[in-house]
Amino acid sequence: AQSVTQPDIHITVSEGASLELRCNYSYGATPYLFWYVQSPGQGLQLLLKYFSGDTLVQGIKGFEAEFKRSQSSFNLRKPSVHWSDAAEYFCAVGASGAQKLVFGQGTRLTINP
Amino acid sequence: SAVISQKPSRDICQRGTSLTIQCQVDSQVTMMFWYRQQPGQSLTLIATANQGSEATYESGFVIDKFPISRPNLTFSTLTVSNMSPEDSSIYLCSVEDRGAVAGYTFGSGTRLTVV
Repeated sequence: AQSVTQPDIHITVSEGASLELRCNYSYGATPYLFWYVQSPGQGLQLLLKYFSGDTLVQGIKGFEAEFKRSQSSFNLRKPSVHWSDAAEYFCAVGASGAQKLVFGQGTRLTINP
Repeated sequence: SAVISQKPSRDICQRGTSLTIQCQVDSQVTMMFWYRQQPGQSLTLIATANQGSEATYESGFVIDKFPISRPNLTFSTLTVSNMSPEDSSIYLCSVEDRGAVAGYTFGSGTRLTVV
């Protein structure tokens, strides 16, 4: 069965600092991997996804993520965070076709001015 | 990508009553998914809804508590029945995109408070 682990429940970084959010997955085949962001009181917005090909994926809002099969990881990075990046971030894994997504527990990001 | 309209956006309900949540998609989709997000928690899939067939429920969720309708390829409803305070959550619908930005699109969610 698929599973996702986000080891960091809460991360605080200063505005302008770099960011890395960790995600580890468990899945038997090649997974479809996603990062979503949820701002307070909002739904989920897709930041980026990995299906195949280049393991470094570029997303919206300046985010990128790198798929590392050997480490079963799909960490999210941003070189310089902005106060508006404060939100909850969810990593998710899915299978091919119209299958369900399995979400990690989420990482809450706080930005210090 | 698909655009989902979900309503109501929030509601406060009395225990023992039922609430029906609606999701309208701007394109035809085969499957729609209903998730629950309990306070401070991640998302958990409730069920998958195919048009023209019974919804498929995940472990821990039953049709009597969360009946789902899927009358056509653009619309679905989730009812939360005989509510208790433990049902206070955000409920989200989702569809799989097949357009240029493939992935899964989510509705904006329904924030339910049961008192």
